[in-house]
Amino acid sequence: GIQVEQSPPDLILQEGANSTLRCNFSDSVNNLQWFHQNPWGQLINLFYIPSGTKQNGRLSATTVATERYSLLYISSSQTTDSGVYFCAVDGFNDYKLSFGAGTTVTVRA
Amino acid sequence: NAGVTQTPKFQVLKTGQSMTLQCAQDMNHEYMSWYRQDPGMGLRLIHYSVGAGITDQGEVPNGYNVSRSTTEDFPLRLLSAAPSQTSVYFCASQDSYTGELFFGEGSRLTVL
Repeated sequence: GIQVEQSPPDLILQEGANSTLRCNFSDSVNNLQWFHQNPWGQLINLFYIPSGTKQNGRLSATTVATERYSLLYISSSQTTDSGVYFCAVDGFNDYKLSFGAGTTVTVRA
Repeated sequence: NAGVTQTPKFQVLKTGQSMTLQCAQDMNHEYMSWYRQDPGMGLRLIHYSVGAGITDQGEVPNGYNVSRSTTEDFPLRLLSAAPSQTSVYFCASQDSYTGELFFGEGSRLTVL
């Protein structure tokens, strides 16, 4: 399967700060998604973004498919942004979604 | 909106016991899958299904069986539980048009 690497592994932010999370992948992808796992373990789909840029409130994401990476931006972070952010990809004609190890974000008040 | 429903949320088993994790979705999605989540390892795909009657293995299928008799249901069976199967299990279904994946709330399994 496609290898997925996320960085940094851990991120500590002061409330109101901005941050960028990165996802590198080893091959061409048909599907790339970002998820947030909150402290209660619930997984929420943030973006479906195999290419291009999307924004949803304070969150935005950009995928540069030709260079095999995606970035997730968090602006004006809030304590509710804490949790683990996962990037997941699958290849063409491949339903096997591969997850990165995640970035653990802690936002302090 | 129910979405993806998993049961039970918590389960403790003894080594060698069998059990079934239930998963149901009400979004009429063809694609469903099971993942396990272990500390520091993200989520790993166990089995998946692209439609009723069709299943296939993921990255870590050993020790698990699945079946897909209906579009709605995708149960995961542990035939003889082992301590290495202690984990949090997530069921997911995927919208074929948008590609978005929707997860259940997870099932925490402990095998003693």
